[in-house]
Amino acid sequence: EDQVTQSPEALRLQEGESSSLNCSYTVSGLRGLFWYRQDPGKGPEFLFTLYSAGEEKEKERLKATLTKKESFLHITAPKPEDSATYLCAVLPGGSNYKLTFGKGTLLTVNP
Amino acid sequence: GAGVSQSPRYKVTKRGQDVALRCDPISGHVSLYWYRQALGQGPEFLTYFNYEAQQDKSGLPNDRFSAERPEGSISTLTIQRTEQRDSAMYRCASSLGQGGNQPQHFGDGTRLSIL
Repeated sequence: EDQVTQSPEALRLQEGESSSLNCSYTVSGLRGLFWYRQDPGKGPEFLFTLYSAGEEKEKERLKATLTKKESFLHITAPKPEDSATYLCAVLPGGSNYKLTFGKGTLLTVNP
Repeated sequence: GAGVSQSPRYKVTKRGQDVALRCDPISGHVSLYWYRQALGQGPEFLTYFNYEAQQDKSGLPNDRFSAERPEGSISTLTIQRTEQRDSAMYRCASSLGQGGNQPQHFGDGTRLSIL
């Protein structure tokens, strides 16, 4: 059974304090690993897709990396507007569409 | 451009009533998905459409739940004889197609409350 575990469940940072969120996964093959951002009352907003170990993607203060067992979302010098829940999802090798999500990490960045 | 649109945003109904939730995907997106998201959890897969064909309904909890997409665009998720345990956020997503290179884009959901 495909599993996605995100840690920590919640993270509080001061503005400018860099950190990383973790997404560990167990899946039969990996067609893709997806990061989403979710603001309160909104649907998940797509950030990145990673396909193979060693791959990295960047967007503003966010950088996502992938190994064979986990993915990290690095947040450099975060701002209060980066506060959100960050969700990780995997698309297993045996499916073209069925995402399995983790529970997310609630990030709060204080000014 | 317009994103995935869901209606109603909130639905409160009494136990035993039927409800219909609507999803209008991004124009041109052939793949459509329904998810259910509990508080503090990630979305959980319910069903998948490719054009008008329902290709996977393995996540639907029981036979009170059904979904259709008759013209390959708008989709309706119907719950018959609602129960309190059906209370949740129901989300729709769409993508250009299948596969890892086609990210799913989500709507803001319908919050369903069963009294």
